Amino acid sequence: GQNIDQPTEMTATEGAIVQINCTYQTSGFNGLFWYQQHAGEAPTFLSYNVLDGLEEKGRFSSFLSRSKGYSYLLLKELQMKDSASYLCAVTDSNYQLIWGAGTKLIIKP
Amino acid sequence: NAGVTQTPKFRVLKTGQSMTLLCAQDMNHEYMYWYRQDPGMGLRLIHYSVGEGTTAKGEVPDGYNVSRLKKQNFLLGLESAAPSQTSVYFCASSSPGQGATGELFFGEGSRLTVL
Repeated sequence: GQNIDQPTEMTATEGAIVQINCTYQTSGFNGLFWYQQHAGEAPTFLSYNVLDGLEEKGRFSSFLSRSKGYSYLLLKELQMKDSASYLCAVTDSNYQLIWGAGTKLIIKP
Repeated sequence: NAGVTQTPKFRVLKTGQSMTLLCAQDMNHEYMYWYRQDPGMGLRLIHYSVGEGTTAKGEVPDGYNVSRLKKQNFLLGLESAAPSQTSVYFCASSSPGQGATGELFFGEGSRLTVL
């Protein structure tokens, strides 16, 4: 079966750095997305990776290793507004999006 | 900037009642999706559409029907509501692009409770 694993919850301190991991086992791979979802709101797009390596976008970076079925989202200079759930999603060989359950990130002052 | 709009935002139903959720997008996107989101689970695809007049089943289609008569609208119907359908429903739209589906734009969600 297809599976995406993320930690359920993480806690970090304002101003620090946090890495949220995502491992996947899917039938084929056509790209990996990260979305942010604040409580009670809709998910919003953060990043997309299809080739191995690091994609940087401001305070957020996303890394992909296709051979390891692994990605991480790196958040730097954490702010209180970064408290949210972070969703990892993979496009499989049928171009269907498979979603992880999300990682709830709690930022403490 | 309306983007993706869902109505209603909240609804309480009794078991056996029917209802329709409406999704409208103003971005001229080809693809539209209906997801449900339950605690501790990833977004699960109910039905989707790759163009006006076309629909397809997703991962959890039972108990739901959809229609896409106009490109900008995607309706989700519950024929006979059951408590297991208590959930938050998200509509999304996209244009073909990255990862084939492209970036998804989500509506604000519709919180449905079935008693």
